[in-house]
Amino acid sequence: QKEVEQDPGPLSVPEGAIVSLNCTYSNSAFQYFMWYRQYSRKGPELLMYTYSSGNKEDGRFTAQVDKSSKYISLFIRDSQPSDSATYLCAMSPSGGNQFYFGTGTSLTVIP
Amino acid sequence: GAGVSQSPRYKVAKRGQDVALRCDPISGHVSLFWYQQALGQGPEFLTYFQNEAQLDKSGLPSDRFFAERPEGSVSTLKIQRTQQEDSAVYLCASRRQGNTEAFFGQGTRLTVV
Repeated sequence: QKEVEQDPGPLSVPEGAIVSLNCTYSNSAFQYFMWYRQYSRKGPELLMYTYSSGNKEDGRFTAQVDKSSKYISLFIRDSQPSDSATYLCAMSPSGGNQFYFGTGTSLTVIP
Repeated sequence: GAGVSQSPRYKVAKRGQDVALRCDPISGHVSLFWYQQALGQGPEFLTYFQNEAQLDKSGLPSDRFFAERPEGSVSTLKIQRTQQEDSAVYLCASRRQGNTEAFFGQGTRLTVV
């Protein structure tokens, strides 16, 4: 079993929809949680970074962490065609030197 | 620099050839990471440097893989006697000391034929 599980999709939604992306994990030592966006043939771009449990909002993006359930989410409001990309969750333990990634969820927002 | 820079962007190698991939981290970033991303997968950790010291190389898949960062800035990932299974995108990331947000470069897409 991988340490981080992420549904690869693909996920297709109409423009303006609310998108929910999720990851589960097994290592209770994970403290730092990140979401990256990766366009085709590009490197991952950091979207959101959260420490421990709770919510964090940045514009149309909201990241949630539920450590009791070992479950993290990224919500995208008013989705745009430019949001079409692969979304990767990543996490690391406190003081850890490597990030553990999910496989990524492919999202297409249809105009 | 403005971001993490990797070169070359694309590399085609014949099986058995040695390759060297370069990473220029963001200026002032102490930590540097190499990751390998296979098609349709998330990045997998290869190795980690803090300044010039290679503190973790647990992810290197074999002794054909070697990484260095001799002056604590630019890093090179070398793969000797490349095999087809080495075909992947190799990503470099850097971060400031004490800050866990890591920034990735565009990657080098290696194809072994």
